[in-house]
Amino acid sequence: KAGVTQTPRYLIKTRGQQVTLSCSPISGHRSVSWYQQTPGQGLQFLFEYFSETQRNKGNFPGRFSGRQFSNSRSEMNVSTLELGDSALYLCASSLGGQGYEAFFGQGTRLTVV
Amino acid sequence: QQQVKQSPQSLIVQKGGISIINCAYENTAFDYFPWYQQFPGKGPALLIAIRPDVSEKKEGRFTISFNKSAKQFSLHIMDSQPGDSATYFCAASDNQGGKLIFGQGTELSVKP
Repeated sequence: KAGVTQTPRYLIKTRGQQVTLSCSPISGHRSVSWYQQTPGQGLQFLFEYFSETQRNKGNFPGRFSGRQFSNSRSEMNVSTLELGDSALYLCASSLGGQGYEAFFGQGTRLTVV
Repeated sequence: QQQVKQSPQSLIVQKGGISIINCAYENTAFDYFPWYQQFPGKGPALLIAIRPDVSEKKEGRFTISFNKSAKQFSLHIMDSQPGDSATYFCAASDNQGGKLIFGQGTELSVKP
């Protein structure tokens, strides 16, 4: 069974630009969560989508948004990039419902210059 | 109340020794406690997880001990190997929309 796939693996963007990251979950998984990982703040929850609906949202500004498609693939968008948005962005997939086990992709390393 | 506090921040253990990482939480609504292992350049990998209805869970060399009354849980790595050198994260969830609250991580180094 294929794991969680995130694309692209690396991105370099300029301040003020916007970026879209993609996540393909494990086949059969309906929940996709997004996390930001930085050395200073650690792993922080951004939001979670289940069956195309956002179920939960972390404490991030509205510049961070996401969506989920009918095939459970998810995208995350960050608009008006700031230097502080440089981070490893991880997505995790799970069955959803009572299925807690979350499996992470390798992440997208975003650098904002 | 949403925090999970993890210690130590870093740990050095000799090969064959026992590595112990501790986590504490405040939110009594948490009902799922996983541990993740992360190597540089990789995403976190699920190691082992426990629910509050059991006090201990063992999978191979990895054991979670859970103390519900103290609101603490710990990861024990028996017979630690250099290949175990990685960053370990504890986490907790209260079944609110797939959200995991992570500890700050412990960088483990196992010396040969």
